[in-house]
Amino acid sequence: DAKTTQPPSMDCAEGRAANLPCNHSTISGNEYVYWYRQIHSQGPQYIIHGLKNNETNEMASLIITEDRKSSTLILPHATLRDTAVYYCIVRVGYSGGGADGLTFGKGTHLIIQP
Amino acid sequence: NAGVTQTPKFQVLKTGQSMTLQCAQDMNHNSMYWYRQDPGMGLRLIYYSASEGTTDKGEVPNGYNVSRLNKREFSLRLESAAPSQTSVYFCASSEDNPPYEQYFGPGTRLTVT
Repeated sequence: DAKTTQPPSMDCAEGRAANLPCNHSTISGNEYVYWYRQIHSQGPQYIIHGLKNNETNEMASLIITEDRKSSTLILPHATLRDTAVYYCIVRVGYSGGGADGLTFGKGTHLIIQP
Repeated sequence: NAGVTQTPKFQVLKTGQSMTLQCAQDMNHNSMYWYRQDPGMGLRLIYYSASEGTTDKGEVPNGYNVSRLNKREFSLRLESAAPSQTSVYFCASSEDNPPYEQYFGPGTRLTVT
């Protein structure tokens, strides 16, 4: 799986949009971008994933650049409960039935300020 | 629907002792995983099981063994614990259809003295 680069930490004011960048310049054509988050030492939680189109769900939006070398996770109205470590993961999405594990980096520690 | 459960939540072992971490899921998933997380680091895959009766090594399998007892349960055994195995251990299971979302348990915090 390709490697990702994320800033180690970010701050965001409560109620504002939090934009978390991820660089994956060596991504291959069949690799998907996944985002998970980990709140205070709990188990990680899936947020969203995408291949090349922008995606939105009830938790967040994912913007992937046209060349697919970077992406941004957007939390539209951050709350204090969004304080967590956010992991950007690139994987060959559907090969092998998805049984292979995830490769986590150190992620971005997002701190929502009141 | 409890999702993924792990026991125990906390454990302290002396060097050389053995123990088994238990994991169970009630989502009827075929794939299950064991990860470890050291302080300030991301999770690293220890072992995984794509289906009942099969297991495969992940990134850091040395010092561990696993058993996929049935579709629900996947256990991790430390035969002779070492201080380097002090970590938080997470079990996960994965949906059988895209996007293969993984669901994680609450973790077991293990200290080896």
